[in-house]
Amino acid sequence: GENVEQHPSTLSVQEGDSAVIKCTYSDSASNYFPWYKQELGKGPQLIIDIRSNVGEKKDQRIAVTLNKTAKHFSLHITETQPEDSAVYFCAASGGSYIPTFGRGTSLIVHP
Amino acid sequence: DSGVTQTPKHLITATGQRVTLRCSPRSGDLSVYWYQQSLDQGLQFLIQYYNGEERAKGNILERFSAQQFPDLHSELNLSSLELGDSALYFCASSVTPGEDVEAFFGQGTRLTVV
Repeated sequence: GENVEQHPSTLSVQEGDSAVIKCTYSDSASNYFPWYKQELGKGPQLIIDIRSNVGEKKDQRIAVTLNKTAKHFSLHITETQPEDSAVYFCAASGGSYIPTFGRGTSLIVHP
Repeated sequence: DSGVTQTPKHLITATGQRVTLRCSPRSGDLSVYWYQQSLDQGLQFLIQYYNGEERAKGNILERFSAQQFPDLHSELNLSSLELGDSALYFCASSVTPGEDVEAFFGQGTRLTVV
């Protein structure tokens, strides 16, 4: 089955800095890569996704890049704000239709 | 609000007991997924249903079972509970079980086994 590795597990940045979270996957059949944000006491919420026919996607301050050859994808958050503090999960799906999640990155943005 | 409703929000029970967690998917969603989130762990896929039928199974213990009813709500049954079963249990739903379909998560049920 699919295996998703996510790094780092914790990321601490100053407000206004950029944050980058990286994931790798194992199943070459995977072709959908969503990113979820989980705030304290809430369920994960989709913030951006990318499909295998696209190399990069942006939505305001967040962007995701995908390298299918290397089987890795990354989340980039620019101009971080305290409200960006949360746990971020990457996921991959395609071959099995079941999203497989990484272990999460706890992002802390210091004011 | 994702539109996915999970009840109860919190549950405290003793070892050896049995509990039922309930999930109502978003209106119009036919597929339901159950995930377990333990401390410092990611989201571990347990089981998926589509339109009442089991679609896929993950690392779900034999002590756990689930079903999806004709009205599309789903229940996750956990029996002979152990301390290690303490976790957040999430339900998610999507329109179809397709590979590139967004899954919407509920707020979870926090299970504590004492």
